[in-house]
Amino acid sequence: EVQLVESGGGLVQPGGSLRLSCEASGFTFSNYWMSWVRQAPGKGLEWVANVKQDGGDNYYVDSVKGRFTISRDNAKNELYLQMNSLRAEDTAVYYCARVERGIYEYWGQGVLVTVSS
Amino acid sequence: EIVMTQSPATLSVSPGERATLSCRASQSVSSNLTWYQQKPGQAPRLLIYDASTRATGIPARFSGSGSGTEFTLTISSLQSEDFAVYYCHQYNKWPWTFGQGTKVEIK
Repeated sequence: EVQLVESGGGLVQPGGSLRLSCEASGFTFSNYWMSWVRQAPGKGLEWVANVKQDGGDNYYVDSVKGRFTISRDNAKNELYLQMNSLRAEDTAVYYCARVERGIYEYWGQGVLVTVSS
Repeated sequence: EIVMTQSPATLSVSPGERATLSCRASQSVSSNLTWYQQKPGQAPRLLIYDASTRATGIPARFSGSGSGTEFTLTISSLQSEDFAVYYCHQYNKWPWTFGQGTKVEIK
């Protein structure tokens, strides 16, 4: 059974940093692109970042470029999102998702990040 | 960036009735479009990919159609568990983008 379990969320002050993790199981992690997708409270879904199978290619939505870094450790079956210079508008539930041809077939349960003073 | 516009924002439907949701892309996305269902407090669930292919385990009452810029998700006979928010998503061109969602509520 495919499982994705996020962790690392919480309350952080504006300008602060946070690192999200996503532990994957039930599939060969190194065979798939992975994504982070977020959802601000009461709002829709927004793709945030993608990382290729070997971690060599990364893509970001413009609003997080230069502040967020997506990475992965295939030996540990883990996906990460390092978030720096956090802003109030980054407040959201962050989901990790397995990607195949642009299709998000499997999602984690999500982790809440709140940026507030 | 490709803008995905869903309509209506809210659809009020009685159980057993048919629901038709629309999604329009600001430029062609070919058939590279998915539909997701999301219930409160839950992660999105994949319903339809490649515009018209049902995902594993999705009931036949869900169907998708369209290509290019105009897409439709049809729920043939609404069940109580279908009341939720539905999102379309294009993966034809970076950055991948979602529609703003259509809420299907009980009439």
